[in-house]
Amino acid sequence: AQSVTQPDIHITVSEGASLELRCNYSYGATPYLFWYVQSPGQGLQLLLKYFSGDTLVQGIKGFEAEFKRSQSSFNLRKPSVHWSDAAEYFCARGGNAGKSTFGDGTTLTVKP
Amino acid sequence: EAQVTQNPRYLITVTGKKLTVTCSQNMNHEYMSWYRQDPGLGLRQIYYSMNVEVTDKGDVPEGYKVSRKEKRNFPLILESPSPNQTSLYFCASSLRAANTGELFFGEGSRLTVL
Repeated sequence: AQSVTQPDIHITVSEGASLELRCNYSYGATPYLFWYVQSPGQGLQLLLKYFSGDTLVQGIKGFEAEFKRSQSSFNLRKPSVHWSDAAEYFCARGGNAGKSTFGDGTTLTVKP
Repeated sequence: EAQVTQNPRYLITVTGKKLTVTCSQNMNHEYMSWYRQDPGLGLRQIYYSMNVEVTDKGDVPEGYKVSRKEKRNFPLILESPSPNQTSLYFCASSLRAANTGELFFGEGSRLTVL
């Protein structure tokens, strides 16, 4: 079964610092990979997605992610974090004939 | 406005009392799916539907039923709820049938089973 692993349960960064959230997926055919963000009390919103082609993808709110097939990773990055980025982030994999798999999530805290 | 609407948003019920959580989308999406979110477990897929009258099990289907009689609606049915079904439930939809595109999520339905 396909799986998605987010090794970091909780990350704290200072406002203005750079951010990297890790995501690893289980081996398989070219995956459809996504990053979603969930603010408290809200549903999930898509940040960015990777299907094929350029391995560095840009998303909303200044986020980017890089697909590395050799490492089975799809890490999310942001050069300078803002206080409003505090939320829970989910990496997800789709495209398996309708089944989708989410990681357990990483909670981001932003220190002033 | 494009949206996925779930009802009720909050519900407290008792063991064994059948309930239905409705989900409706107004984007003419083919794909719809239900997830439950529990602390530390991320989102787990319950059931999904790739089109009208086509449904299939996700990773945690036990205790749940679904139907897809119309494209826009995908209700989640708990025939005999139990306390282990206390959770936050999300409905989502996507334009493409094979879940290769962006998922649009509802705001969630928090269910407590006593």
